[in-house]
Amino acid sequence: QQQVKQSPQSLIVQKGGISIINCAYENTAFDYFPWYQQFPGKGPALLIAIRPDVSEKKEGRFTISFNKSAKQFSLHIMDSQPGDSATYFCAASAGNTGKLIFGQGTTLQVKP
Amino acid sequence: DADVTQTPRNRITKTGKRIMLECSQTKGHDRMYWYRQDPGLGLRLIYYSFDVKDINKGEISDGYSVSRQAQAKFSLSLESAIPNQTALYFCATSDSGQGFGAFFGQGTRLTVV
Repeated sequence: QQQVKQSPQSLIVQKGGISIINCAYENTAFDYFPWYQQFPGKGPALLIAIRPDVSEKKEGRFTISFNKSAKQFSLHIMDSQPGDSATYFCAASAGNTGKLIFGQGTTLQVKP
Repeated sequence: DADVTQTPRNRITKTGKRIMLECSQTKGHDRMYWYRQDPGLGLRLIYYSFDVKDINKGEISDGYSVSRQAQAKFSLSLESAIPNQTALYFCATSDSGQGFGAFFGQGTRLTVV
């Protein structure tokens, strides 16, 4: 049973466009929602994270939107660049454990 | 130098063989984790450790064991490797006192033939 469901599986965006990746969760005990970026041959790297007491968090071109009632959160990449081409994972964690439940991943390709 | 170092980076082994994957960290974090990545499934937690004397099973621990030799070292063993353990394995660390962001190593690609 996938506790965190991520979509789409793959995404192609033109340079300068907006990339949007969505995640949905079931466990209402989750209280930490990070996004990770992974390049080929590398480990996932923390990109941005949010807690459920806020509805949006922005860091540069990356924004997380969080909808607690719908149990959904999304990553928006504004002005997408070819260097953003990577696999993105959403994740969730409950309590002070640091244990992460990951979504299935989205492969993003930004075309020049 | 990498903060979280995994060895080996690549390994091919035969079915039934015992294999150990090693992880060391220089971040000074107390918590360490082993995850497995499979295409279309994301990453799944195998084992985690909050300190040297604390070892816990994750969601897919069957067929695996771990050892926390020191605060900075956490190894994952496959006692008798099987082909469906072919995957990308990641070690990660986090600091219980500074939020929940986890730092990942570069991974070990394991192939069981």
